[in-house]
This record gives sequence, C-alpha cells and structure tokens, in this order.
Amino acid sequence: ILNVEQSPQSLHVQEGDSTNFTCSFPSSNFYALHWYRWETAKSPEALFVMTLNGDEKKKGRISATLNTKEGYSYLYIKGSQPEDSATYLCAFTGNTPLVFGKGTRLSVIA
Amino acid sequence: NAGVTQTPKFQVLKTGQSMTLQCAQDMNHNSMYWYRQDPGMGLRLIYYSASEGTTDKGEVPNGYNVSRLNKREFSLRLESAAPSQTSVYFCASRKQGELAGNIQYFGAGTRLSVL
Repeated sequence: ILNVEQSPQSLHVQEGDSTNFTCSFPSSNFYALHWYRWETAKSPEALFVMTLNGDEKKKGRISATLNTKEGYSYLYIKGSQPEDSATYLCAFTGNTPLVFGKGTRLSVIA
Repeated sequence: NAGVTQTPKFQVLKTGQSMTLQCAQDMNHNSMYWYRQDPGMGLRLIYYSASEGTTDKGEVPNGYNVSRLNKREFSLRLESAAPSQTSVYFCASRKQGELAGNIQYFGAGTRLSVL
C-alpha cells in the first residue's frame, strides 16, 4: 500500500499569518499529485493537480510546489483568513487510484 | 449542473440489515470510486471502477460489494451491516485516460450509523 504522509496533522494560526504544510509521497512511478480543500460538512474540492517536477501552481493566496525527485509537495497560504479554515488533503497517483494523505486541519483564528 | 449525486444523505441501520448506497455522475467520467472517511483515518478507498464493466477492490473492501450499473451509476452495497461500518461514505468520479491530470469530483457524502 502506497504511503502518503501529511504534516502537521493540525495547525492553528492567527488571521493574517502565512502558513505552509507538507505532503510526502513515493518518488517512484509518479504520475500526479493533487491538493484538495475540505470544509467541514462539505465534500473535498480540488485546488491543484501537479504533474511535473518543479511545478508551481497558484490560486489567489494559495500556492503549491512539487518536487517529484525527493517526493514532497508544499502548500502555502499567504495572509490566512478565517474562511481558509478547512482540512487540506493531498493525494498521489502512480497511474493508480488516488491515495490520500490524512490531511492537515487548519484553523484560522480571527 | 449536478456533478456527483449520492443518496441517501443519512441512514441508520441495525446490525445485520442490508442497504445500497447510490451514486450517479453526469460528467461522462469513466472512473468512479467509493471511499469511507473515519476520524483520524482520512479517506480510504473501498472499491473503484476504472471503466464501465470493471470493478476492483481498494484498501478496505471487506463487507462491501459494488455494481457499476452503467457509465453514470456506481452503487455500494452492505449485505449485512456491522457497527464497524459506521462511517461517512463518499462517492467520486474522475475522467481517466489523460494521464493523471484530471481532478476528482466528490459527492456530498452519506452519513451511515449502524447500531
């Protein structure tokens, strides 16, 4: 079973702080790395899909980077807002069904 | 623009009862998935269907069966529910076939309690 690790497990930040989380995945047989945002009582929604080593993606205040050689991806949130509070999931695929990490639960305190 | 539709949203069963969770997508996706979400465990894959007519076991298939009825619909059946199957179940779909760059769309979830 492929192992996708996310850290930290949970995070509390003040409004306006910038923060980042890590996703570690197998560096062999890599096809893509996905990031999803999951709000409480809703379903996960895709943020980014990255396929190439060195990829950087950005959506508003959220960005992500990818290192396939060493098997990690970072998600950055600049100037966190209370509406950013959610669980952030990463998922790896090696041309297999997505394997999800357990997520990083972010709470932004106003 | 429905996306992925799951029914029911909530269900309470007694141990030993059976039920089927329904899932349909209207995006012409060829791959569909069933996950369960438990506290501290993240999303775990139960079964998936890479294309119409095929199904495969995921990480936690025991106690479940699936049917890919057609391209749109993928159902999950609990033949004899157990308290360990109390969970939130998510159906998802994805357009496979263009490497792995396609995002996965999730249904709203089914909250199941087995007493």
